[in-house]
Amino acid sequence: DAGVTQSPTHLIKTRGQQVTLRCSPKSGHDTVSWYQQALGQGPQFIFQYYEEEERQRGNFPDRFSGHQFPNYSSELNVNALLLGDSALYLCASSWREETQYFGPGTRLLVL
Amino acid sequence: GENVEQHPSTLSVQEGDSAVIKCTYSDSASNYFPWYKQELGKRPQLIIDIRSNVGEKKDQRIAVTLNKTAKHFSLHITETQPEDSAVYFCAPKDPGINKFYFGSGTKLNVKP
Repeated sequence: DAGVTQSPTHLIKTRGQQVTLRCSPKSGHDTVSWYQQALGQGPQFIFQYYEEEERQRGNFPDRFSGHQFPNYSSELNVNALLLGDSALYLCASSWREETQYFGPGTRLLVL
Repeated sequence: GENVEQHPSTLSVQEGDSAVIKCTYSDSASNYFPWYKQELGKRPQLIIDIRSNVGEKKDQRIAVTLNKTAKHFSLHITETQPEDSAVYFCAPKDPGINKFYFGSGTKLNVKP
């Protein structure tokens, strides 16, 4: 039974560029949430996708957008990257409102 | 949104001692209370959780207690081992949606 997977594991971008991160949920899960974790801090909720729609959003600008596909996998897109976007981006999956399980994360560095 | 606070921010104990981390939250309607362990460079992993209709739950050396009236829940680790060293996060759940508010974390150091 595969757990939550994310790609890529690491990424280096420059300011102003755009990035796409990917997440495959745990088998049987239909809900995907994205979190940003800055160094030394707790994960901050970005948004959640269920039935291919954004169901809930945290306090993040419109530069952060996402998508969920029919197979429940999801993408996180960040436009016009800023230095402050450097962080570990975590994907978590769940079945409806049950317990969330995290992927290994994508570490993004913006130079 | 939910206001979540964890105490202490760092905790150092001797191997074999007990450790207690407390999490306070603001939304009295919160109904699910998990604790996550995150080792350096790794993903947060669920170690124990409790629902609002239960006051205490135990799993081997780990336990969680919930005080809904006072709006706090605590993680208890007994007989600590060096491999328990990590950052621990509480993440009470916003009711009605699957949104978790994470605390700022407690760095636990277990000295051999």
